[in-house]
Amino acid sequence: NAGVTQTPKFQVLKTGQSMTLQCAQDMNHNSMYWYRQDPGMGLRLIYYSASEGTTDKGEVPNGYNVSRLNKREFSLRLESAAPSQTSVYFCASSDLRTATYEQYFGPGTRLTVT
Amino acid sequence: QKEVEQDPGPLSVPEGAIVSLNCTYSNSAFQYFMWYRQYSRKGPELLMYTYSSGNKEDGRFTAQVDKSSKYISLFIRDSQPSDSATYLCAMSRSGSARQLTFGSGTQLTVLP
Repeated sequence: NAGVTQTPKFQVLKTGQSMTLQCAQDMNHNSMYWYRQDPGMGLRLIYYSASEGTTDKGEVPNGYNVSRLNKREFSLRLESAAPSQTSVYFCASSDLRTATYEQYFGPGTRLTVT
Repeated sequence: QKEVEQDPGPLSVPEGAIVSLNCTYSNSAFQYFMWYRQYSRKGPELLMYTYSSGNKEDGRFTAQVDKSSKYISLFIRDSQPSDSATYLCAMSRSGSARQLTFGSGTQLTVLP
């Protein structure tokens, strides 16, 4: 049981390049989330998917797109990377059927845009 | 103004000290309150969860929520070097697909 996995772990992009961050969970959770973490800013929600087939914008969606490929996988795409998107990206999942609001986080992807 | 404010620290204490970490918030719709712990270069993990006002204790950790003051706290008793991490408060409204709003995190170091 791997929990939440993310690929790649590290990535360096040039301004204008595109890339997709991959996330998968094996806990049969229905909800999945993408966050970015910047110094002094905490975790900010980019997009989330409450269930398979639905996606919604979070606090900072500009410059990103997402795809909920199936129940397990939720990808984040940067179409034209900008230096302001340099950050650590975390994927998380949650089971809406449980009483707690626990989200399980992946290990993160460290992205640098030059 | 951020919805959730948290003193970023850093906070450095000797082993065995009592640690107090705090957050304030402005959105009265928040009903679910959490503390996450994040070790360096790792993802956050849930430490404590509280619904509405009151106290919750789990071993050396106590979470307090005062909704009238919009103030939450995490107390760590008999702190250990292994408690050195960043502590993030998080909050959610009901019916929000469990979207979490996080504080900026407080970096704690417990010195042996």
